[in-house]
Amino acid sequence: GAVVSQHPSRVICKSGTSVKIECRSLDFQATTMFWYRQFPKQSLMLMATSNEGSKATYEQGVEKDKFLINHASLTLSTLTVTSAHPEDSSFYICSASILARFRETQYFGPGTRLLVL
Amino acid sequence: QQQVKQSPQSLIVQKGGISIINCAYENTAFDYFPWYQQFPGKGPALLIAIRPDVSEKKEGRFTISFNKSAKQFSLHIMDSQPGDSATYFCAAGGQNFVFGPGTRLSVLP
Repeated sequence: GAVVSQHPSRVICKSGTSVKIECRSLDFQATTMFWYRQFPKQSLMLMATSNEGSKATYEQGVEKDKFLINHASLTLSTLTVTSAHPEDSSFYICSASILARFRETQYFGPGTRLLVL
Repeated sequence: QQQVKQSPQSLIVQKGGISIINCAYENTAFDYFPWYQQFPGKGPALLIAIRPDVSEKKEGRFTISFNKSAKQFSLHIMDSQPGDSATYFCAAGGQNFVFGPGTRLSVLP
């Protein structure tokens, strides 16, 4: 299957700093990338959908000014958590899809664990 | 309308047994039903998926059964192995994508 990478795999930062997480599709071009958040022992919560070259679509309740998403190319999307606070500590997972709609081609990255002190 | 219900929340099965996880949805606009497997600290991995035009799909030890009229679908893991111990998420896709809350499966050796 297709490979999606995330970097970093884990990050610890101080409250008030910004953290950038990269999501790359390594062997395919992804027209759509998705960002999820997962709390311990809970399901995945879709945060936003990102299409290359256009603004991300955020789910209800997700602050777009706090979670900045940039989809600069067909292989790279970044999530920046701005002015991070302890409540932002979570497991962030991206996924990438080749087609415009959800299909079998949605592949997930390994996740990034963020801890805000 | 957008919710996907999943049961049981946790499941313990003996090695060699059958694991069954059930999901139900409300929105008839969903047209894609995948199952994901997630190990602790890892991202979900696509396991198997089905479309509403078929009632069953089998891949190795994993089978999805789909009941369109009941708006239900289930994952069956035959000959369950300790290595299958993980959290399983069903999902429904269409205009958007919704995950079930997950089932934590433990297969005892």
